[in-house]
Amino acid sequence: KNQVEQSPQSLIILEGKNCTLQCNYTVSPFSNLRWYKQDTGRGPVSLTIMTFSENTKSNGRYTATLDADTKQSSLHITASQLSDSASYICVVSEAYGGSQGNLIFGKGTKLSVKP
Amino acid sequence: DAGVTQSPTHLIKTRGQQVTLRCSPKSGHDTVSWYQQALGQGPQFIFQYYEEEERQRGNFPDRFSGHQFPNYSSELNVNALLLGDSALYLCASNMGSLNYGYTFGSGTRLTVV
Repeated sequence: KNQVEQSPQSLIILEGKNCTLQCNYTVSPFSNLRWYKQDTGRGPVSLTIMTFSENTKSNGRYTATLDADTKQSSLHITASQLSDSASYICVVSEAYGGSQGNLIFGKGTKLSVKP
Repeated sequence: DAGVTQSPTHLIKTRGQQVTLRCSPKSGHDTVSWYQQALGQGPQFIFQYYEEEERQRGNFPDRFSGHQFPNYSSELNVNALLLGDSALYLCASNMGSLNYGYTFGSGTRLTVV
């Protein structure tokens, strides 16, 4: 069964600190992996997207890594800000007919940044 | 360049009623996917429309149906609403032939009472 598991479920850090969120997946066939930031009650906003041939991708203070062999990904946030408080969702796309198909979502890690 | 727009933003319906949610994809996108996100959970795939046809479907009952129009916009219809249908309904669009570029709308918050 295609699954995406994220850890930790929730995380509280102090402003200015770094943190790393984890994602393990069992999606096959694999197309790509994305990290999204979702504020409460809002739609997800894309942070990074990686195909199997990419092992790192940065977007400002966000750096995602991908190990396609072990089917693991991480999202590292540096110098956290209060506005980083949100749910971070790992999403893996199935390959479908040569393009991307269904998205398999993790349940997300709820990050709270405290002053 | 408009992103994905969904309407309405909030909706309250009574159990047993029917509801229609609407989605306009991002300019240049031809594929629309619908997701249901219960409170505190990750989004669950409902179905995907491409070239006005349902291309893939998740594990949702036939009460959930959809449509895609020639201009690529889409509707999600839910019949015989249940209390458990209360959720945030997200629409995402992308270019079906490309391996990237999902863009999500802000969602429609449906409450069934």
